[in-house]
Amino acid sequence: AQSVTQLGSHVSVSEGALVLLRCNYSSSVPPYLFWYVQYPNQGLQLLLKYTSAATLVKGINGFEAEFKKSETSFHLTKPSAHMSDAAEYFCAVAGNQFYFGTGTSLTVIP
Amino acid sequence: DSGVTQTPKHLITATGQRVTLRCSPRSGDLSVYWYQQSLDQGLQFLIQYYNGEERAKGNILERFSAQQFPDLHSELNLSSLELGDSALYFCASSEGDPGGELFFGEGSRLTVL
Repeated sequence: AQSVTQLGSHVSVSEGALVLLRCNYSSSVPPYLFWYVQYPNQGLQLLLKYTSAATLVKGINGFEAEFKKSETSFHLTKPSAHMSDAAEYFCAVAGNQFYFGTGTSLTVIP
Repeated sequence: DSGVTQTPKHLITATGQRVTLRCSPRSGDLSVYWYQQSLDQGLQFLIQYYNGEERAKGNILERFSAQQFPDLHSELNLSSLELGDSALYFCASSEGDPGGELFFGEGSRLTVL
């Protein structure tokens, strides 16, 4: 069975500070991993996707995530938070089905 | 624009009623997923179709049903509506290959009064 766990349902950072959103996965096979972002009153948008080509994946809007097999983690980072990054972020693992985490709400403090 | 179209965007109805939500997937995508998003339960997977056939079923109530038509659009039918059914309902589509990303529509916001 596959699943993801997002640690921290709410994260607050100051504008300009590092963003770190945590995701751990469980998968019996090499996983396909994703990060999605949801802005208020919108659908989910793909931020980035890991498909085993490279462990460090770069996404849109300056976000990146690193796949660490030894830690079964796929944490999302951004060096410098911007006010426009305030949103809900979802980690997901895919095989025959998609499994989403419970989401992390990011607040950026000016 | 993801290419996935959902209608209606907003719907207000009364308890006990029935509604139909419609989804047109991205051109070329064979797989359609339905999700329910509410404040207390997060993003819940309801059901998946692939090329007209049901492929996976999640936490979908018996009062809810869905289908995917030959032209690949999908409909989610919600009946005997309860207050707790108020939520955002998302449709997503993908090519259907393992590991392929999902493309989400903007959602249909259902309010049951």
